Amino acid sequence: SAVISQKPSRDICQRGTSLTIQCQVDSQVTMMFWYRQQPGQSLTLIATANQGSEATYESGFVIDKFPISRPNLTFSTLTVSNLSPEDSSIYLCSVEGLRQGSAFFGQGTRLTVV
Amino acid sequence: GIQVEQSPPDLILQEGANSTLRCNFSDSVNNLQWFHQNPWGQLINLFYIPSGTKQNGRLSATTVATERYSLLYISSSQTTDSGVYFCAVEYGGTSYGKLTFGQGTILTVHP
Repeated sequence: SAVISQKPSRDICQRGTSLTIQCQVDSQVTMMFWYRQQPGQSLTLIATANQGSEATYESGFVIDKFPISRPNLTFSTLTVSNLSPEDSSIYLCSVEGLRQGSAFFGQGTRLTVV
Repeated sequence: GIQVEQSPPDLILQEGANSTLRCNFSDSVNNLQWFHQNPWGQLINLFYIPSGTKQNGRLSATTVATERYSLLYISSSQTTDSGVYFCAVEYGGTSYGKLTFGQGTILTVHP
């Protein structure tokens, strides 16, 4: 299984600012995924991050609000821009395991916007 | 898109009791996983089970792909089993690695 380190684990941010979340994997992976979990809700996929190409965003998520970088095969960042209280959520990165479809998750970033 | 429905939404048990959680999905899937989210938000893989039956200690899971459901069994529950249990599926030819989650079952185990 992959070991995924996600930072920060939690943060409290002022509205209007931005937060960048880092995800580091201990092995090279083709695709990394970013999910959002709003309070009391399930996980929703934000985007898929491929190395060397632009991220692919799911319906309802746009690059201006959630810019993603993927500079190499072990690292990705998600920025949540122009924060509002509605952005208060847990953000998680994920990679696929050795078996197709088996996903592993970082420990998540708990964001509170005040 | 695919619909993933979990039941029950909430479950309260006394320590030592057994339970069954269900996941129904509306279309054929490539893969199915069960996760446990602990109170700190960490998602822990329980099973990768697109079909068949698997067991890991007090937990076991069965997926009947032809009937589009999966079951997670927890025996002799412990307080550390508390948390949210999610079923997630991967479907479609272009959805490699992308998961659609159910709404989860919130399990509370009392001592």
